[in-house]
Amino acid sequence: NAGVMQNPRHLVRRRGQEARLRCSPMKGHSHVYWYRQLPEEGLKFMVYLQKENIIDESGMPKERFSAEFPKEGPSILRIQQVVRGDSAAYFCASSQLAGQNTGELFFGEGSRLTVL
Amino acid sequence: KNQVEQSPQSLIILEGKNCTLQCNYTVSPFSNLRWYKQDTGRGPVSLTIMTFSENTKSNGRYTATLDADTKQSSLHITASQLSDSASYICVVSKMNNNAGNMLTFGGGTRLMVKP
Repeated sequence: NAGVMQNPRHLVRRRGQEARLRCSPMKGHSHVYWYRQLPEEGLKFMVYLQKENIIDESGMPKERFSAEFPKEGPSILRIQQVVRGDSAAYFCASSQLAGQNTGELFFGEGSRLTVL
Repeated sequence: KNQVEQSPQSLIILEGKNCTLQCNYTVSPFSNLRWYKQDTGRGPVSLTIMTFSENTKSNGRYTATLDADTKQSSLHITASQLSDSASYICVVSKMNNNAGNMLTFGGGTRLMVKP
């Protein structure tokens, strides 16, 4: 049973370009969460999705950032017109049960975005 | 404000020694507390999850304690190994509905075990 798969593991973009980060949850998990981790800082919640629905996007910037979890395929975190401040590690986690307060969360290895 | 504070920020110990990491939180209402281990460049891996009624929980050489009255938790590592070198993250979950932002992450303690 493969774990949470994220790709790419490393991504380099120039300012103004778009970044797309993908996350395939563990088999049987229908709840996906995205977190951002800046260097030397803790993880910060961005968005919580279920299949075809955004449940909570309160941690995601209103502009340039979007996320989706289609019926088929991985969850996508999309960052448009990247800026240097977007450089961070982006972690995806999945759970079988609804809500972070009940279900065990399994994390992917992260996607490290560097904006030049 | 819901916060999770960890101490120390960093710690260096010799292989074979024991150590204890601390976590204080103000998250309310409390649901559970988790300790994660995060190796450099990797994703967090769960060590323990404790609910309100649990005072202690072990996972091999890792033992977590929880005092819900004082809102403190500790993670004790026994007979440390070089592979224990990592960041240890305390995460507190808020009891609520199924909204996503129910977890508050501490900043982590960076542990280095030296031979």
